[in-house]
Amino acid sequence: DAGVTQSPTHLIKTRGQQVTLRCSPKSGHDTVSWYQQALGQGPQFIFQYYEEEERQRGNFPDRFSGHQFPNYSSELNVNALLLGDSALYLCASSLRPAESFLYGYTFGSGTRLTVV
Amino acid sequence: RKEVEQDPGPFNVPEGATVAFNCTYSNSASQSFFWYRQDCRKEPKLLMSVYSSGNEDGRFTAQLNRASQYISLLIRDSKLSDSATYLCVVNGGSYIPTFGRGTSLIVHP
Repeated sequence: DAGVTQSPTHLIKTRGQQVTLRCSPKSGHDTVSWYQQALGQGPQFIFQYYEEEERQRGNFPDRFSGHQFPNYSSELNVNALLLGDSALYLCASSLRPAESFLYGYTFGSGTRLTVV
Repeated sequence: RKEVEQDPGPFNVPEGATVAFNCTYSNSASQSFFWYRQDCRKEPKLLMSVYSSGNEDGRFTAQLNRASQYISLLIRDSKLSDSATYLCVVNGGSYIPTFGRGTSLIVHP
């Protein structure tokens, strides 16, 4: 049973560039949520995708956008990168948004983004 | 006041010790609660859910105090392998979990 897979595992980008991160949810899951985790902090919610639509969004600027595909996989795009965007980006999947409420999330191993 | 607050620690304890962490939350309407474990530079992994009646899994016990709006995690007979960051998670009803910043535990020989 494949878990949540994310790619790439590490990435170094220059300020002002754009980046795309990818996530495939756990088999059987249809909801993908993205989190940003800065060093020494807890994960911060970016947004959640279900049925190919952004369902909820955290307090992140429009530079952060996403997409969900018919196979439930998802992308996170960040434009005009800032040094402060350096963080671990985590993808979490669940079966429908409500399932995480009851059973918690399954996380991928994350993409570590460094902006220089 | 932050939605979810945890003492970042670190809690430095010897093997075999009992250690407890608390986590306070601000939304009195919160409905579900979890503890996650996160090893250094790894993803968070679900440790256990927290029920109103309390929840025990081996050496780990989680409890919820709705009146005082906090949850706790008790670890008995600490092992070296318990060294990690423990994240408190609270669902306020929007199906979006809010994470605390985590409490660091270091278990030494």
